[in-house]
Amino acid sequence: KAGVTQTPRYLIKTRGQQVTLSCSPISGHRSVSWYQQTPGQGLQFLFEYFSETQRNKGNFPGRFSGRQFSNSRSEMNVSTLELGDSALYLCASSSGTRSTYEQYFGPGTRLTVT
Amino acid sequence: AQSVSQHNHHVILSEAASLELGCNYSYGGTVNLFWYVQYPGQHLQLLLKYFSGDPLVKGIKGFEAEFIKSKFSFNLRKPSVQWSDTAEYFCAVNAQYNAGNMLTFGGGTRLMVKP
Repeated sequence: KAGVTQTPRYLIKTRGQQVTLSCSPISGHRSVSWYQQTPGQGLQFLFEYFSETQRNKGNFPGRFSGRQFSNSRSEMNVSTLELGDSALYLCASSSGTRSTYEQYFGPGTRLTVT
Repeated sequence: AQSVSQHNHHVILSEAASLELGCNYSYGGTVNLFWYVQYPGQHLQLLLKYFSGDPLVKGIKGFEAEFIKSKFSFNLRKPSVQWSDTAEYFCAVNAQYNAGNMLTFGGGTRLMVKP
């Protein structure tokens, strides 16, 4: 099985712009979660989508949003970028069933905001 | 809200030394517990997981972890480390009150193994 893929892998944006990141989960997985990784704050949960619905949400401002499509692919959007949004954004997928909460992570998208 | 603490931020060991990385969480209910590893330049990989049953769980590459409910701990161990174990290790918790997947991670422990 192919793993979780994320595009693009690297991105440079200017403060005030918006950005969209994409994640393709493992085939058959219906849950996609997003995490932000920074040296200062570590790994923080952004949100989770399951069957096109947001199931969980972390403590991030409304500038961070996401969606999931019928094929389980997910996108996250950050509007009005700030310098502090520079981070590695990780996507993780799982089957989403209650019997297992094992998540498989993608390589991440490195976002740099200048 | 749950939180996870990893006591050691940096650990340096020589090859063949034994490893124990501490992880404590704060949540009084039922939890699912994980250890993930991030090798240099690679993505996060699952080392092992605990859902229920035997509190001593074995993972890949000779790692094991013990869940001690009374201490809210899930420490990672390996009897003899190798240079290839150099990586950052993350403990994570998913409280079962969550409807789905919402991992809370510890701050990570950077392990350097000297050859």
